[in-house]
Amino acid sequence: EVQLVESGGGLVQPGGSLRLSCAASGFTFSSYAMSWVRQAPGKGLEWVSAITGSGGRTFYADSVKGRFTISRDNSKNTLNLQMNSLRAEDTATYFCAKESTAGGPGSFDYWGQGTLVTVSS
Amino acid sequence: DIQMTQSPSSLSASVGDRVTITCRASQSISSYLNWYQQKPGKAPKLLIYAASSLQSGVPSRFSGSGSGTDFTLTISSLQPEDFATYYCQQSHTTPNTFGQGTKLEIK
Repeated sequence: EVQLVESGGGLVQPGGSLRLSCAASGFTFSSYAMSWVRQAPGKGLEWVSAITGSGGRTFYADSVKGRFTISRDNSKNTLNLQMNSLRAEDTATYFCAKESTAGGPGSFDYWGQGTLVTVSS
Repeated sequence: DIQMTQSPSSLSASVGDRVTITCRASQSISSYLNWYQQKPGKAPKLLIYAASSLQSGVPSRFSGSGSGTDFTLTISSLQPEDFATYYCQQSHTTPNTFGQGTKLEIK
């Protein structure tokens, strides 16, 4: 059974940093691209970042480019998101998502339960 | 960036109704279009990928169509568990943008 479990969310002051992690199990982690998608309270879904299975290529939304860094440790089946220079508008639930086996890159067939990041003084 | 626009933003319908949600891309995305269902407090669930392919385990009352810039999600006969918010998403180009969502409510 595929499982994605996020951790690392919490309350942080504007300008601060936070590192999110996503522990994956139930599939060959290194074979799939992974993404982070966020959802501000009461709002829609926003794609944030993606990384290829090998970790060799990364992609970012303009809204987080230069502030967030996605990475993965295929030996530990873990996806990470380092978030620096956090802003109030980064407040959201952050989901990790697995690339769809059938749908290919950019579509997501499994999601974690999400971890809430609140940026506030 | 490719903009995705859904209509309507909200919709009231009854159990048994046939419902159609529309999604329009700001430029051609071929068939790189996915549909998700999200219930309150839960993660999104993939329903349709590649515009018209039904994800494994998803009931056949859900169907998708379209290519290029115009797409539709159809629920042939609404069930009580279908009341949720639906999002389209393009996987043609990063950033893989989502539509703003369509909230399907019980009439």
